[in-house]
Formats: sequence, C-alpha cells, structure tokens
Amino acid sequence: EAGVAQSPRYKIIEKRQSVAFWCNPISGHATLYWYQQILGQGPKLLIQFQNNGVVDDSQLPKDRFSAERLKGVDSTLKIQPAKLEDSAVYLCASSASGILGNEQFFGPGTRLTVL
Amino acid sequence: LAKTTQPISMDSYEGQEVNITCSHNNIATNDYITWYQQFPSQGPRFIIQGYKTKVTNEVASLFIPADRKSSTLSLPRVSLSDTAVYYCLVGSGGATNKLIFGTGTLLAVQP
Repeated sequence: EAGVAQSPRYKIIEKRQSVAFWCNPISGHATLYWYQQILGQGPKLLIQFQNNGVVDDSQLPKDRFSAERLKGVDSTLKIQPAKLEDSAVYLCASSASGILGNEQFFGPGTRLTVL
Repeated sequence: LAKTTQPISMDSYEGQEVNITCSHNNIATNDYITWYQQFPSQGPRFIIQGYKTKVTNEVASLFIPADRKSSTLSLPRVSLSDTAVYYCLVGSGGATNKLIFGTGTLLAVQP
C-alpha cells in the first residue's frame, strides 16, 4: 500500500514570496490533515478535511495560509505572503474515516526555509 | 481538549526495557490514547493505541490505569534504532478527531 505522498520535499523562498505544498493521501482515506512542525516542537494541526469539507481550521492563519482539497482526494496548502516564522516542516497526514481513535498516517513532510 | 505531559528526554542502553509515562488528567470519556514515534526528517509513525487496561503489539505495550489519567508506553529491549521522539496524544474520533501533539519525549539509546 502506497503511503502519503508530499511534494516538494524541500523549498527555500524569500519572505513575502508565495509557496504551495501538495499532498496525496492514502487511497480511500476520507480524512486529511495538514500540520506545521517547527524545529524542536511537536506537530501543530493547521487544518483538517473530511472528504472535501473543512472540519477544523481554527489554528490556520487565514490571512496568509489557505488550503483546499478538491474532489476529496489531493490537497494543497498555500502560504502567501510567507514570513520568516513560517520556516518549518509541513506534514500531511490521512486517516481512513472518523472511526473512534483512528490511526493517522503521515507523509515525509516538506521542509520550508524562509529567508 | 485533553493536554498531555511527558518527560522531555530519557536515556537508556541497548537491551533495556524503557517505560515512558504520560499524564493526561483531563482525558474525556471518548478519548483514546495514542503513541507516535518520530525519527529526524520523517513524519510521525503510529506505534500503539489503547482505551483502557493493557494493549500489546509486536513493538510495544501500553498500560492504562483504571482512572485513565496517565499511560505508560513500554518498549522491550530497545536498540540504537529506537532513538527517536515519542509523542503521547489523546483524542476522540469522528468528524472532530483532533490530535494535539505535545513536545514529546526524546529517547536516546546508547550502546
């Protein structure tokens, strides 16, 4: 079974530029998550999708971050404009359904460096 | 949402059993307890999950007391490759399945 795919793996941009990350979840997984992990910290949930609808985006900085999941499969996370403090690893995860205690599968992440 | 507290770091030697305890005093009735492992430059990986008492799989055991306010991840006979950050999370499923990661426990296994 293929895992969660993310691209690019690394990205370096200057502040005020835009960047987009792509995620392809495990086939059939209804729930998709985007996390931000700053060096030395645990992952922080940014947004959660159930199929193509947003379940939780309470910690997404909506003035600069946006995310979509068209057709309930792939997802993109965009930052516009980027700030220095956005430097982090952006992790995508998926889970099969909303079953109680369901396991999340994580991708390898995209390491973003903002200069 | 339940918040977890776990040691920042632990040291061990190869072949020893390691127990990492996590406290979650505000755990809700519907919450499960899940442990993830994360190696550098990789996403977290599911280790084990439980609701109460004891759960065992091929890599670890999870002990949960009756009040469920804490849990202990037990790794038998650790090796150098078990050096990683271990996260304890509590959360419920459904459409609002939301997991909050803490800072985790950095386990360093030495020869």
